Amino acid sequence: DTGVSQNPRHKITKRGQNVTFRCDPISEHNRLYWYRQTLGQGPEFLTYFQNEAQLEKSRLLSDRFSAERPKGSFSTLEIQRTEQGDSAMYLCASSLAAATNEKLFFGSGTQLSVL
Amino acid sequence: DAKTTQPTSMDCAEGRAANLPCNHSTISGNEYVYWYRQIHSQGPQYIIHGLKNNETNEMASLIITEDRKSSTLILPHATLRDTAVYYCIVGGYQKVTFGIGTKLQVIP
Repeated sequence: DTGVSQNPRHKITKRGQNVTFRCDPISEHNRLYWYRQTLGQGPEFLTYFQNEAQLEKSRLLSDRFSAERPKGSFSTLEIQRTEQGDSAMYLCASSLAAATNEKLFFGSGTQLSVL
Repeated sequence: DAKTTQPTSMDCAEGRAANLPCNHSTISGNEYVYWYRQIHSQGPQYIIHGLKNNETNEMASLIITEDRKSSTLILPHATLRDTAVYYCIVGGYQKVTFGIGTKLQVIP
């Protein structure tokens, strides 16, 4: 169990540029979540996958955001035409969903700064 | 998911027990109580969860009231490394929704 891995750890970009983040979940986990966190706030849910299917997207996720999990393993989160308000920590989590409860295992996050 | 209410911040002396309360009066019968913590600049870390009975693991104990409307996370001997934001969450299945949590400061 190598844990949830996120790359890059830090990303600095200029407004208007596109960025892509990658998440590698724990290998046997079938669920993968993306969260966004700003300073002083708890993580905000963005979207989640069960295997390769994207099951839910938050209203926070504008059309500029897209997430994929093509083979049910790693996932990418792309932000197009970045804005300064996109500056945040982007967290990925994975879980082995059970029938009634689940524990999430988080990566260390990708800190995005939009200049 | 049911909402939770936690104090914004708490202090605890090193070596003493830290008792972190959480109110979840609208919890439904099949929803679990989960606790996570987040140390600065890291992702949240799962601590413990329970449904009705009290639970204990190597990190903490979870005490859930009989009516399930509140719970307490207990760190039996707090250390400086326990300084973190602690999140109480109720839910069962699918997405986990975080609040602001309790910022616990362990004081030497």
